[in-house]
Amino acid sequence: NAGVTQTPKFQVLKTGQSMTLQCAQDMNHNSMYWYRQDPGMGLRLIYYSASEGTTDKGEVPNGYNVSRLNKREFSLRLESAAPSQTSVYFCASLYHRTVNTGELFFGEGSRLTVL
Amino acid sequence: GESVGLHLPTLSVQEGDNSIINCAYSNSASDYFIWYKQESGKGPQFIIDIRSNMDKRQGQRVTVLLNKTVKHLSLQIAATQPGDSAVYFCAVFLSGTYKYIFGTGTRLKVLA
Repeated sequence: NAGVTQTPKFQVLKTGQSMTLQCAQDMNHNSMYWYRQDPGMGLRLIYYSASEGTTDKGEVPNGYNVSRLNKREFSLRLESAAPSQTSVYFCASLYHRTVNTGELFFGEGSRLTVL
Repeated sequence: GESVGLHLPTLSVQEGDNSIINCAYSNSASDYFIWYKQESGKGPQFIIDIRSNMDKRQGQRVTVLLNKTVKHLSLQIAATQPGDSAVYFCAVFLSGTYKYIFGTGTRLKVLA
């Protein structure tokens, strides 16, 4: 059981280049999330998808787009990368313990450097 | 919106002592709170949660306390061990919107 799989694990981009981070989960979870993690800033929510077919902005959505391709996959796209987007990106899916409670399962992260 | 903040970026404790990590939240309507542990190079992992209809919840060596009056929660780790060294995050799940918001994290260092 792979859980949440993110690709690539490492990427170096030049300013202005575009790229897509891929995320897939095999736990049949409805909701998926993208976070970025910077030193001293904790985890900040970029975008999330409560269910297949829906996406919503989080705390820091500017400069990003997302696609919920199907129930398993949720991708994050940087159209024109900027050095401020250098970060570690985490994808997560939500396991509902009850209707209003839940535990996130995270991938191992994707480390992105923009030069 | 919701914001979540942790009181100390770093906490150093002696092995065997108890650790207390604090967190504050802003939205009084928040009703579900969760603690995560992140080890170096890995994604965060669930530790324990608490709903707003409770003041205290205990797990194995961990206890979460919730004070809704001052919008504060804490994570207590009993008999801290070297394996407890990690970054700890509190989080709030807003069930109406499905937003899952994290605080800035506290790095726990266990001294031998």
